[in-house]
Amino acid sequence: RKEVEQDPGPFNVPEGATVAFNCTYSNSASQSFFWYRQDCRKEPKLLMSVYSSGNEDGRFTAQLNRASQYISLLIRDSKLSDSATYLCVVNSASGTYKYIFGTGTRLKVLA
Amino acid sequence: SQTIHQWPATLVQPVGSPLSLECTVEGTSNPNLYWYRQAAGRGLQLLFYSVGIGQISSEVPQNLSASRPQDRQFILSSKKLLLSDSGFYLCAWRGSNQPQHFGDGTRLSIL
Repeated sequence: RKEVEQDPGPFNVPEGATVAFNCTYSNSASQSFFWYRQDCRKEPKLLMSVYSSGNEDGRFTAQLNRASQYISLLIRDSKLSDSATYLCVVNSASGTYKYIFGTGTRLKVLA
Repeated sequence: SQTIHQWPATLVQPVGSPLSLECTVEGTSNPNLYWYRQAAGRGLQLLFYSVGIGQISSEVPQNLSASRPQDRQFILSSKKLLLSDSGFYLCAWRGSNQPQHFGDGTRLSIL
């Protein structure tokens, strides 16, 4: 089993739609969770950290389910500019410096 | 504020030639530093990370090496490049209890 797994997509959604991605992780000792966004041929950029209680940043909501070992990202009112690949990131174990990146979920928002 | 510089942006090298990619961070002290590679259409593969000067952890045995001669400088090297070394190389830094932030990346093509 991969340490971090994501559905590669693509998810093709119309503008204004709500879309959700999940990411599962295998190490129950992981403590830090993030979502990054990567545009084509660009570096990944931090979208948001994921906190135990869940957190929201504008149209984006991230949640953590420790019991089932997954994190989720919900995007409301999708914009054309949201089209990108969304990477799930988990630290390999509590207190370590190593971070594991998922292979990403590709989102296309259609006009 | 912190910034990360990575160069060159693009590099074309013949098989068997040496490689040196440099990454520097400004505005922070004692960052954790990382080198990743992303093959076309693939996820990020952690190559090396460093928690301090002269301290290098290697994740994947391969044709590459890394060095950290100064606190905010991280260098990726190879003595003889292989075709399989082609890819998008990304440097990242991380402060205490913070997520990673990436440089712009170097797109390396081996001919």
